[in-house]
Amino acid sequence: GENVEQHPSTLSVQEGDSAVIKCTYSDSASNYFPWYKQELGKRPQLIIDIRSNVGEKKDQRIAVTLNKTAKHFSLHITETQPEDSAVYFCAASITGGGADGLTFGKGTHLIIQP
Amino acid sequence: DGGITQSPKYLFRKEGQNVTLSCEQNLNHDAMYWYRQDPGQGLRLIYYSQIVNDFQKGDIAEGYSVSREKKESFPLTVTSAQKNPTAFYLCASSLGGWDQPQHFGDGTRLSIL
Repeated sequence: GENVEQHPSTLSVQEGDSAVIKCTYSDSASNYFPWYKQELGKRPQLIIDIRSNVGEKKDQRIAVTLNKTAKHFSLHITETQPEDSAVYFCAASITGGGADGLTFGKGTHLIIQP
Repeated sequence: DGGITQSPKYLFRKEGQNVTLSCEQNLNHDAMYWYRQDPGQGLRLIYYSQIVNDFQKGDIAEGYSVSREKKESFPLTVTSAQKNPTAFYLCASSLGGWDQPQHFGDGTRLSIL
């Protein structure tokens, strides 16, 4: 089955700096890659997603890049703010073969230092 | 998302007891999912359902059971066969298909007495 590796497990950045979280996946059949933000004790919330037919997608301060050849994708957050502090999860979904559901990375705890 | 309701928020299970976690959605979504989250871990798929009266095992289905009698509802039963049930359980729904966003409920935290 699919395996998703996420790095780093903890990331501390100064407010206003950029943060980058990286994920790799194992199954070349994966075609959909969402990113979720989870605050302590709360539900994961979808912040951005990308499909395999595009290489990059932006939404204000957040961007995701995808390299299908290398099987990795990254989340970029610019001009970080205190409210960006949370755990971020990447995920991958494969298509075909009756498969459904997402395979998640183990998460990155992003800490924004004032 | 306001359209996915999980209950209860906290649940305690005694040894040898089955417990059922509720998940209801009013988003008219075809697909529903159950995930388990352990501290410091990502989410792991337990079961999913793409249509009423049909469901499939995920990566960690042993010790769990589900039903999908109505489009809006996808309850999860944690059976006594699940030896380590303490976790945060999250229900999600989507329009269905491999590339549709999944939206989550607020979760149920299950603990052992």
